[in-house]
Amino acid sequence: AQSVTQLGSHVSVSEGALVLLRCNYSSSVPPYLFWYVQYPNQGLQLLLKYTTGATLVKGINGFEAEFKKSETSFHLTKPSAHMSDAAEYFCAVRGGGADGLTFGKGTHLIIQP
Amino acid sequence: EPEVTQTPSHQVTQMGQEVILRCVPISNHLYFYWYRQILGQKVEFLVSFYNNEISEKSEIFDDQFSVERPDGSNFTLKIRSTKLEDSAMYFCASRAYSGGGDTQYFGPGTRLTVL
Repeated sequence: AQSVTQLGSHVSVSEGALVLLRCNYSSSVPPYLFWYVQYPNQGLQLLLKYTTGATLVKGINGFEAEFKKSETSFHLTKPSAHMSDAAEYFCAVRGGGADGLTFGKGTHLIIQP
Repeated sequence: EPEVTQTPSHQVTQMGQEVILRCVPISNHLYFYWYRQILGQKVEFLVSFYNNEISEKSEIFDDQFSVERPDGSNFTLKIRSTKLEDSAMYFCASRAYSGGGDTQYFGPGTRLTVL
């Protein structure tokens, strides 16, 4: 069975500062990993995903994430935060023959001006 | 860009009533999903649907729930007799291919409130 842990239900950074959202997963087989973003009153939008190959994955809006198998992590980063990045971010895993995604609890990103 | 749509955006119902939540997946997609998110909790997988049958379901998806693809475009989730604890945001999702890393595209959700 898969599980996802997102450290920090709320993360606050200043505009222009580094964004780091943490995600650790548990999976019995090599996983597929996803980051989704949810803006207020909207659905979940894919930011980026790791399937196979290069462990550093680039996504939309300047975000990237690195798959580290030894640390079972898939942390999301962005070098310089923008006010428009304020949203809820969800890490998710799919693997082991399961069809559905297993989500973390989400991290609410707050951008301070 | 094609997107998943859901109706209604908000549904209020009385406990014990039946509700049907509707979704129109992206037109060339083959795999369909329902998830729910109780306020303040994580998004949870309910069911996946492929080739006109359920391919996987979670423990949450008990006999009170059913899914249907009544025509070539709609995908519905029915809750037969709603309970207070069914109050949640329900998301529909779809994806095109059978690859494990293929993206699931989510709709905006239906907020269900059971009184």
